[in-house]
Amino acid sequence: QKEVEQNSGPLSVPEGAIASLNCTYSDRGSQSFFWYRQYSGKSPELIMSIYSNGDKEDGRFTAQLNKASQYVSLLIRDSQPSDSATYLCAVRGTNAGKSTFGDGTTLTVKP
Amino acid sequence: EAQVTQNPRYLITVTGKKLTVTCSQNMNHEYMSWYRQDPGLGLRQIYYSMNVEVTDKGDVPEGYKVSRKEKRNFPLILESPSPNQTSLYFCASSLFPPGEGYEQYFGPGTRLTVT
Repeated sequence: QKEVEQNSGPLSVPEGAIASLNCTYSDRGSQSFFWYRQYSGKSPELIMSIYSNGDKEDGRFTAQLNKASQYVSLLIRDSQPSDSATYLCAVRGTNAGKSTFGDGTTLTVKP
Repeated sequence: EAQVTQNPRYLITVTGKKLTVTCSQNMNHEYMSWYRQDPGLGLRQIYYSMNVEVTDKGDVPEGYKVSRKEKRNFPLILESPSPNQTSLYFCASSLFPPGEGYEQYFGPGTRLTVT
């Protein structure tokens, strides 16, 4: 079992729709969870971080964390073509220095 | 401008020829890390450093070395590169290990090809 698993893609949604990206992790002691966006050929950029159970909203983005289920998700409302990218889930586990990333989910938003 | 720089950005080399990829940050960050990215595999951590002279292995350290003699620099060394080290490499830094309030900043990437 991979330490961090993301829902397999690619994911395609129409413009204006809600895109839902999911991630599960195996280290029950994990404390910090991150969503990065990566455009093709570019470096990852942080879009959301979450540390407590529940929802965290930032503009059109909402991160959801459920530590009991070891599950973290990212919702993108009113999806735009500029949201088309690969989204990476990252988890910082009990070892503070180690960051584990999922394989990524490629999202395409069609005009 | 706050940034993480990597050099070179592109490198083609041959098997066995030692090489170093440099990474430098100007944000006085204590934490630095190296990742490699291969198609469909996300980012995999190679090594990280919590501070000067403090380094530790990530998930895929085999075939790599690092050093942290100054806070700003964290070079990645491939003593004897092999074709399976062909990859896209990212350096990253954050004030402290990524966590609440501490965002990780990534460099632009180094595309390495080993023939």
